[in-house]
Amino acid sequence: AQSVTQLDSQVPVFEEAPVELRCNYSSSVSVYLFWYVQYPNQGLQLLLKYLSGSTLVKGINGFEAEFNKSQTSFHLRKPSVHISDTAEYFCAVSDDPGTYKYIFGTGTRLKVLA
Amino acid sequence: KAGVTQTPRYLIKTRGQQVTLSCSPISGHRSVSWYQQTPGQGLQFLFEYFSETQRNKGNFPGRFSGRQFSNSRSEMNVSTLELGDSALYLCASSMGLAATGELFFGEGSRLTVL
Repeated sequence: AQSVTQLDSQVPVFEEAPVELRCNYSSSVSVYLFWYVQYPNQGLQLLLKYLSGSTLVKGINGFEAEFNKSQTSFHLRKPSVHISDTAEYFCAVSDDPGTYKYIFGTGTRLKVLA
Repeated sequence: KAGVTQTPRYLIKTRGQQVTLSCSPISGHRSVSWYQQTPGQGLQFLFEYFSETQRNKGNFPGRFSGRQFSNSRSEMNVSTLELGDSALYLCASSMGLAATGELFFGEGSRLTVL
């Protein structure tokens, strides 16, 4: 069964510093990969997705992620974070294009410090 | 365009009771998915409905059930509540058949079981 691992439960980083949030998934078969962000007391919002093609995916709010099939990873990066990026970030994977049964990681709480 | 609406936003129940949660998807969306979010577990897939048919189901006991109406609105029901059912229940909608599109999440219904 497919699984997703987000090794870092919390990541503190100073404002304007770069950040990388790590995500690894279990299977190397064809997958669709997603990063979602959840601000306090809100639902999840899509940041970016990888379906096929270029392994470097750009999303909203200056985030990007790189799909690495050999390492089964899909790490999220931002070159310079802002206080407003403080939120919880979830990586998700789907290997079934016929449904919306996504497997989510346990989340990484990004805390941006002034 | 209105987003995904979930009601009620907060509710408190006691063990043994049952609860019904409601979700109104974005207009035109035909797929509705439900997820349970708990600290440390992340989001876990409950079920997905498309055009009133359950298209997929997660690994939850039979106490968890759902349905979708002809106007795409969806409800989920949890019977014989247990303390461990305390969680944020998120509903997400999407447009169509291919699960490569974006899931649009509501703000959730926070259930506390005492």
